[in-house]
Amino acid sequence: GIQVEQSPPDLILQEGANSTLRCNFSDSVNNLQWFHQNPWGQLINLFYIPSGTKQNGRLSATTVATERYSLLYISSSQTTDSGVYFCAPTGNQFYFGTGTSLTVIP
Amino acid sequence: GAVVSQHPSWVICKSGTSVKIECRSLDFQATTMFWYRQFPKQSLMLMATSNEGSKATYEQGVEKDKFLINHASLTLSTLTVTSAHPEDSSFYICSAPSNYGYTFGSGTRLTVV
Repeated sequence: GIQVEQSPPDLILQEGANSTLRCNFSDSVNNLQWFHQNPWGQLINLFYIPSGTKQNGRLSATTVATERYSLLYISSSQTTDSGVYFCAPTGNQFYFGTGTSLTVIP
Repeated sequence: GAVVSQHPSWVICKSGTSVKIECRSLDFQATTMFWYRQFPKQSLMLMATSNEGSKATYEQGVEKDKFLINHASLTLSTLTVTSAHPEDSSFYICSAPSNYGYTFGSGTRLTVV
């Protein structure tokens, strides 16, 4: 299957700071999604992004499929951004990365 | 957008009993449902894939007789953990492909005591 690596594994930010999360994957994929898992376990779909760049408020994502990586940008972070961020490339099935655990402190 | 409703959100059961988890697609037809398991501070592990009207496909190492999956209709898939043991305690979550990408249920936290 597709190997997915995310970095950094853990990240602590002061409220208001910006950050970039990276996702590398080992093979060609049909699609890629970014998810935020909140402290209660719920997975929230952030982006459906097989290629290119998308923005949604303070969040944006870029996928360069030919180079097999995707980036998630968080600007002006807030405490509610805390949680685990997963990227999930899609080949013939859905593969989850190892996640980046983000803690935003006030 | 597409919504998958998962119940219960949490359940505590005694060892040896069975627990059923339901996932319903509310506003779309889910011909396929993926079932995942997540241990604390770990990623989601795909357990099995169910397709409406046919037998589920289980990932290597997942006991199909312990984790019974039924997908009898286009809007309902169920996972039954049979003869639960404390090591089955985990977070279980379902997901279905939709026009908005993969939509996830809210998860079920199972604790076996």
